[in-house]
Order: sequence, then structure tokens, then C-alpha cells
Amino acid sequence: QQKVQQSPESLIVPEGGMASLNCTSSDRNVDYFWWYRQHSGKSPKMLMSIFSNGEKEEGRFTVHLNKASLHTSLHIRDSQPSDSALYLCAASKAGNTGKLIFGLGTTLQVQP
Amino acid sequence: EAGVTQSPRYAVLQEGQAVSFWCDPISGHDTLYWYQQPRDQGPQLLVYFRDEAVIDNSQLPSDRFSAVRPKGTNSTLKIQSAKQGDTATYLCASRDKYEQYFGPGTRLTVL
Repeated sequence: QQKVQQSPESLIVPEGGMASLNCTSSDRNVDYFWWYRQHSGKSPKMLMSIFSNGEKEEGRFTVHLNKASLHTSLHIRDSQPSDSALYLCAASKAGNTGKLIFGLGTTLQVQP
Repeated sequence: EAGVTQSPRYAVLQEGQAVSFWCDPISGHDTLYWYQQPRDQGPQLLVYFRDEAVIDNSQLPSDRFSAVRPKGTNSTLKIQSAKQGDTATYLCASRDKYEQYFGPGTRLTVL
């Protein structure tokens, strides 16, 4: 069973629209969440991380975390075609932040 | 600053053949990871090192896979007898105090 579950599997949004991606951990020992973006044929690159309850914003990207439910979400506003990619959520434990457990990812397609 | 480098970029094998992947992490990064990423899925951790020591290899299929990092710098991942199910991209990553940086990967196809 996948310990980090992402939804939806794929998502299509129009250019300029809002994309919302979800991620939940079934491992209650997890404390840290990471979002990576992987363009086709490229390696994953970290977008944002979140460790505390609440919200964190960087430009067009906003991440939310609810530690009680171990749920995080990534929201991309004013989506651009260049945002089309595989979005990966990863979780790690407080005592071992270096060991990331990745979900299967959400494929985002932004249509011009 | 140079990123994580990997070679080869591509490999095509018949079942039963052996293959080695090589990784050069970012200078100064003491932690190095090997991941297996099947097509259109997330990376799955195989093994990771801190300096030359293996920290976690619980997901490494030990009967056919091996990984070393003898001087705490470069690392080699080897598959002794490849199977079709090993078809995937093999990613190497290194970590500073906070973030993991991934290399370009080696795309392996086992026929």
C-alpha cells in the first residue's frame, strides 16, 4: 500500500486557471512534506516544503498543511503551459528528514 | 556550481545481463541516494549513504542489486542479472542540510 497518496492522478486546467493537487500520508509518524515538480524527461526539482500547520506562499504557488489529518495541498494560480509536469509529493519523519517517501504523482496539463 | 552527474544516460539490455550506473554528487554533499522511478510514477528509494556508510538499503533487492560509495564521494549502483521489471529510470540525488538535488537519471530498458 502506498504510504503517500496523491490525487487526482491527472488534471487538466486552462491557461490562467487554478490547479489544486492533494496529498495524504497514511504514516502517522510523518512530520514534513515536500513538493517536487518533474518536467517530462527531466529530473525532479523541489518546489516547496512545509513543516508547520497552515499555509505557505511563494509566487503563484501556495501550499497548505493540516498535520492532524496529515494532508497537504498545492495550489497553482494563473497556471501557465510551462507548469505542465508531474507533481510529486514526498513525506519524511522528524527524526529522519533525509529519507523521502514519494507518492505516485499528479500529472498536470495546462491547456493554452 | 555543478549539479549531480550520472552516466550512462541510457542503457538497453537483454534479460540476464549486468549493468552499472555511476553517480557523482554535488561537492560537499555527504548524503547520496539512489531511486528507481518507473515510467509516470514517483521515485522509490532503493538505498542511501551518509559518507561511505549505508544508512538504509531495506528496499534494495539484495539478490541482484548492489550499491557502493567507497570514498564517500562517487557511487555505483549495479544490477547483476537484469529483469524486464527493472525497466525504469534510475535517479541519483545528493543532499545538503535541507534539500535533495537530483541528477538527470539513467533510463534503463530491459528487453
